[in-house]
Amino acid sequence: ETGVTQTPRHLVMGMTNKKSLKCEQHLGHNAMYWYKQSAKKPLELMFVYSLEERVENNSVPSRFSPECPNSSHLFLHLHTLQPEDSALYLCASSQHPQVSAGELFFGEGSRLTVL
Amino acid sequence: QQQVKQSPQSLIVQKGGIPIINCAYENTAFDYFPWYQQFPGKGPALLIAIRPDVSEKKEGRFTISFNKSAKQFSLHIMDSQPGDSATYFCAAGLGGSARQLTFGSGTQLTVLP
Repeated sequence: ETGVTQTPRHLVMGMTNKKSLKCEQHLGHNAMYWYKQSAKKPLELMFVYSLEERVENNSVPSRFSPECPNSSHLFLHLHTLQPEDSALYLCASSQHPQVSAGELFFGEGSRLTVL
Repeated sequence: QQQVKQSPQSLIVQKGGIPIINCAYENTAFDYFPWYQQFPGKGPALLIAIRPDVSEKKEGRFTISFNKSAKQFSLHIMDSQPGDSATYFCAAGLGGSARQLTFGSGTQLTVLP
């Protein structure tokens, strides 16, 4: 138990569906992240939220839309995805985005399959 | 220049062996080098980390060796056990910011009983 909980753990969706991934952290951290993990590739940072400010990776397609209503919850809204978006999506948190580099606490991930 | 190159992609050793995983980087501004361990079905978890002012750091059976001039660092697992079977990711951080953490592509380690 890392203190970061992700739901659902598995999701299968069609290319025309709209779904959302949810992340909740119980660590009192001030920053939350979405990462994409594809086989044999480096973890790819998608979005960072700190103190309710969003920092984006400009290479992330607009079909991924994050939402951070408060410091404990993070969502990733998905719409009109492509099969190449199939991957493990990891949520992480850290005490502060500008310090504690590397001290990321990850959830167990949401395995997404796009048909 | 932000890439971190990790090798090998996969590694199989016998119990008690010493697997070594290597990482190389280009950006000399990197100042923090953590290793993450990921078991199947779990998220990565911080295992051990080093800063460039030291050449070696040990935590239990895990050792990081750091060669600043070669821009390389490696993870050694002493007396490896089947329970060490996992995927290991190296990473390099910049300026203390988790936003600037660049990961390697991972090494899948299998320790045979």
